[in-house]
Amino acid sequence: AQKITQTQPGMFVQEKEAVTLDCTYDTSDQSYGLFWYKQPSSGEMIFLIYQGSYDEQNATEGRYSLNFQKARKSANLVISASQLGDSAMYFCAMREGLRAGRRALTFGSGTRLQVQP
Amino acid sequence: DVKVTQSSRYLVKRTGEKVFLECVQDMDHENMFWYRQDPGLGLRLIYFSYDVKMKEKGDIPEGYSVSREKKERFSLILESASTNQTSMYLCASSPLDSRKSVDFGPGTRLLVL
Repeated sequence: AQKITQTQPGMFVQEKEAVTLDCTYDTSDQSYGLFWYKQPSSGEMIFLIYQGSYDEQNATEGRYSLNFQKARKSANLVISASQLGDSAMYFCAMREGLRAGRRALTFGSGTRLQVQP
Repeated sequence: DVKVTQSSRYLVKRTGEKVFLECVQDMDHENMFWYRQDPGLGLRLIYFSYDVKMKEKGDIPEGYSVSREKKERFSLILESASTNQTSMYLCASSPLDSRKSVDFGPGTRLLVL
């Protein structure tokens, strides 16, 4: 079974509007962390936001927020006030389990976001 | 502001050649990783290492080996390159704190002819 599922291969959004990128995950561990990365056309991977499974508040970083619904095992990324520079590939990832510091991230297949003027 | 560097951005090799991809990080991170990125498949883990001389197989280790003789350096080796190993290879590192993000290198785009 896929550990990280991103069901939207591509998304379009108008500039200045908000957009939600979906991510669902599968784990039997109680302790895990969820990450979102942005990959522009230049290819670099840019860390955006982190949510721990025990964090009580949804994570926020500037225009990025994470809609974390633990019971549904979803961790959707919300980008507010989209900008042209937000056009990129977005990846959801998870690190799970005890001694998670010695674990690798598992990535989803990504969502390509295009912001239209 | 150098963090994770990879020896080549682009590489062209012939089928059957032995290929070395080098990765160096300057953040004193314990963990280092090699991922392969292909369209529609996201990033898939090839190998990772959480300490010098330690290595663990990822999801797709076949056809690859790794070496970590020093903490800052993690090498990926394609023993006998094949055309299906044409891909983008991303090296990354992270500290042992599981809440910390992984830092990625710029990637090596490998073409095997």
